[in-house]
Amino acid sequence: EPEVTQTPSHQVTQMGQEVILRCVPISNHLYFYWYRQILGQKVEFLVSFYNNEISEKSEIFDDQFSVERPDGSNFTLKIRSTKLEDSAMYFCASKGSGQPQHFGDGTRLSIL
Amino acid sequence: DAKTTQPNSMESNEEEPVHLPCNHSTISGTDYIHWYRQLPSQGPEYVIHGLTSNVNNRMASLAIAEDRKSSTLILHRATLRDAAVYYCILRAFQGAQKLVFGQGTRLTINP
Repeated sequence: EPEVTQTPSHQVTQMGQEVILRCVPISNHLYFYWYRQILGQKVEFLVSFYNNEISEKSEIFDDQFSVERPDGSNFTLKIRSTKLEDSAMYFCASKGSGQPQHFGDGTRLSIL
Repeated sequence: DAKTTQPNSMESNEEEPVHLPCNHSTISGTDYIHWYRQLPSQGPEYVIHGLTSNVNNRMASLAIAEDRKSSTLILHRATLRDAAVYYCILRAFQGAQKLVFGQGTRLTINP
């Protein structure tokens, strides 16, 4: 069964550094998402992406965040200047038209 | 976003059926009822969805009340692998609609 793949599984970064989280969505899916989950808290929506542009973003997704689909297969989340509070699990998801969202197993981001 | 209410936790025994309830009294006519679950150290996983009629798939069954103000996810024969947090989420099925996760129900399965 096709799946969403995220790399790396764990990223450790110094505060203030830029980080890029990578995702390979399921082939032929049209909608792409990033969510995050701070340890012990709810899964929170960050951003959705469709037709090469952001469809919706949450208050969390400020100017420090950006997303890109640089080619036909990857979907990336960039955090320009990381803060301690950015430490969380970041989940990528994708879906086809009229289908449920499929999630990857996440990247654990640790900011030191 | 329409709100759902779920018990914080439930416990069951292996090989027994499990009924996970969800209340959604403010559901709108176009909201689908989605269930996802999150196994330990994994991303959320789609389980099942429905609009008005009861639904079955290989993972579970979804029973929807006639007035749609509540629903029940049924695991017919729980295994240890079904221990997870289960989320009931209302969302339109088309378009780029985000999922809004609540706290969910933490299901514990006893051997």
